[in-house]
Amino acid sequence: QITLKESGPTLVKPTQTLTLTCTFSGFALSTHGVAVAWIRQPPGKALEWLALIYWDDDKRYSPSLKSRLSITKDTAKDQVVLTVTNVDPADTATYYCAHSAPGYNNHAVYWGQGTLVTVSS
Amino acid sequence: QSVLTQPPSASGTPGQRVSISCSGSNSNIGSNLVYWYQQLPGMAPQLLIYKNTQRPSGVPDRFSGSKSGTSASLAISGLRSEDEADYYCATWDDGLRSVVFGGGTKLTVL
Repeated sequence: QITLKESGPTLVKPTQTLTLTCTFSGFALSTHGVAVAWIRQPPGKALEWLALIYWDDDKRYSPSLKSRLSITKDTAKDQVVLTVTNVDPADTATYYCAHSAPGYNNHAVYWGQGTLVTVSS
Repeated sequence: QSVLTQPPSASGTPGQRVSISCSGSNSNIGSNLVYWYQQLPGMAPQLLIYKNTQRPSGVPDRFSGSKSGTSASLAISGLRSEDEADYYCATWDDGLRSVVFGGGTKLTVL
């Protein structure tokens, strides 16, 4: 059974760096073709794809946020970490991590429950 | 502004058939597979349709997907009250080299 869970701060001040951790089970990020993605959703708004890391450590980022995002993995801990630098109130959102299986073209198959992050002074 | 265009809302009565459109371009829908997600109120999204037309196990066959050119469509037949949710289309964009989502469609069952 594949599960993912996001963790991190619920409140961050503007200009700070946000660090979120996705802890997963039921799959190995070292398996060929597997990837983990981060997707966010501002309150009442649409989903926004942020970043993805592959089993071989290749990475993809949203072009509009690329300069502020970093995604890394710790295969031994079954974790993926997303950092967002210089946050702004517009970064207030529920952040989801998701598993992408081989053959699913980088798309999310299993999702975590999400974690709400508020950016406010 | 989303790369993929969906109607913001759709509605139907129980038992009806409703369709939700998703419009893109040659760099996304026109050359890649389309995925659909259902997001029930207060919940995380769930995969509903993958690779244009395929349903994950557990998804009723009342849900179907199709694609033609640079547009895709999700159809729900035999509408039920529990289908009331937000629906999102998604695909890969070759130019952006990222996954792109539609703006979402809120389905109301009257």
